[in-house]
Amino acid sequence: QQQVKQSPQSLIVQKGGISIINCAYENTAFDYFPWYQQFPGKGPALLIAIRPDVSEKKEGRFTISFNKSAKQFSLHIMDSQPGDSATYFCAARGSNFNKFYFGSGTKLNVKP
Amino acid sequence: GAVVSQHPSWVICKSGTSVKIECRSLDFQATTMFWYRQFPKQSLMLMATSNEGSKATYEQGVEKDKFLINHASLTLSTLTVTSAHPEDSSFYICSAGENPRGLGTQYFGPGTRLLVL
Repeated sequence: QQQVKQSPQSLIVQKGGISIINCAYENTAFDYFPWYQQFPGKGPALLIAIRPDVSEKKEGRFTISFNKSAKQFSLHIMDSQPGDSATYFCAARGSNFNKFYFGSGTKLNVKP
Repeated sequence: GAVVSQHPSWVICKSGTSVKIECRSLDFQATTMFWYRQFPKQSLMLMATSNEGSKATYEQGVEKDKFLINHASLTLSTLTVTSAHPEDSSFYICSAGENPRGLGTQYFGPGTRLLVL
């Protein structure tokens, strides 16, 4: 059973547009929700993260929106750039010794 | 952020040989490290949790005798793929957290691409 469900699987956005990726979870014990960015042939890099006591966190062009009651969180990339083209993974941390559960990934393509 | 390194970055080996992959936390101590496997265009699959000074905890379906994990120190964990076969070809990624029981996140290494011929 997949602990974290991510959508869409792929996304095409024009340069300057807003990219939105959504994730949903079931386990209310999750206490930390990071987003990772991965380029081909590289390891995932932490992009931004949020805790369930906060509804929104913004860092530059990247914003996480968190809806605790709906058990959903999303990543918004404002003013999307071709350099943002990568695969994005959401994740949730369980209480079991920092074990992370990852979404299935979203491949973002920002067209110039 | 914290830096995690992996070595080698890629390896090609013959079927039946064993391959060792190292994961190091460069600027912090990690009592726990994690090993993932990633197939092309797929998500990360957690293979095992590596605990310093104790046995690794393997996820269901992962053969512990096939994938040997040793967490020798607070900055080094190794994954050995024993008697590798072509189906073991994959991208292996490790991660480590600065504070396993605290509020920190996981930092990933750059990955090791293994190709078994």
